[in-house]
Amino acid sequence: KNEVEQSPQNLTAQEGEFITINCSYSVGISALHWLQQHPGGGIVSLFMLSSGKKKHGRLIATINIQEKHSSLHITASHPRDSAVYICAVSNTGNQFYFGTGTSLTVIP
Amino acid sequence: DTEVTQTPKHLVMGMTNKKSLKCEQHMGHRAMYWYKQKAKKPPELMFVYSYEKLSINESVPSRFSPECPNSSLLNLHLHALQPEDSALYLCASSRQMKVHYGYTFGSGTRLTVV
Repeated sequence: KNEVEQSPQNLTAQEGEFITINCSYSVGISALHWLQQHPGGGIVSLFMLSSGKKKHGRLIATINIQEKHSSLHITASHPRDSAVYICAVSNTGNQFYFGTGTSLTVIP
Repeated sequence: DTEVTQTPKHLVMGMTNKKSLKCEQHMGHRAMYWYKQKAKKPPELMFVYSYEKLSINESVPSRFSPECPNSSLLNLHLHALQPEDSALYLCASSRQMKVHYGYTFGSGTRLTVV
């Protein structure tokens, strides 16, 4: 069983739709990261959070420490949001666990 | 400067070649990481350097040889690779090894071994 589970694995949305990607983890963490990777490309860090909620533009990330769950929301989705979104958690022992990613395709 | 820069972006090498991947950051981060990522899989940690010293080697074969000449630069020397080593190699850095604040990835080097 993976330490970090994401759902859904694949997601197709129409442009403008509100999108939610979920992440559950089973280990103690110091922080949770949401990462974005475009096809064939490197990884961009979107958020690092340890409690509550963060917002950056059309992206919102929330975390519930008690439930060991985080969500990434994209409002007014756009084709350029098409990418793989990866949830990862880190702990103070320098372990960095990656989820398997959610492949998002936004259709114009 | 808030970037991790990796060069080259693409590399094709033969199994008898020797090549190097380079990673550079100027954010004052003291932890630097090498990851290997196969298609449709999450990244796998290879090495961690903390304050220019190798802290973690995740049982990586000796044909991969990391080097950290200074606090801004991390190299990965490649020798006698196999076709199955073809992958995206990602570098990352963070403020310190156990403090992942500012964890930043590079854009990767796409390596093909022929």
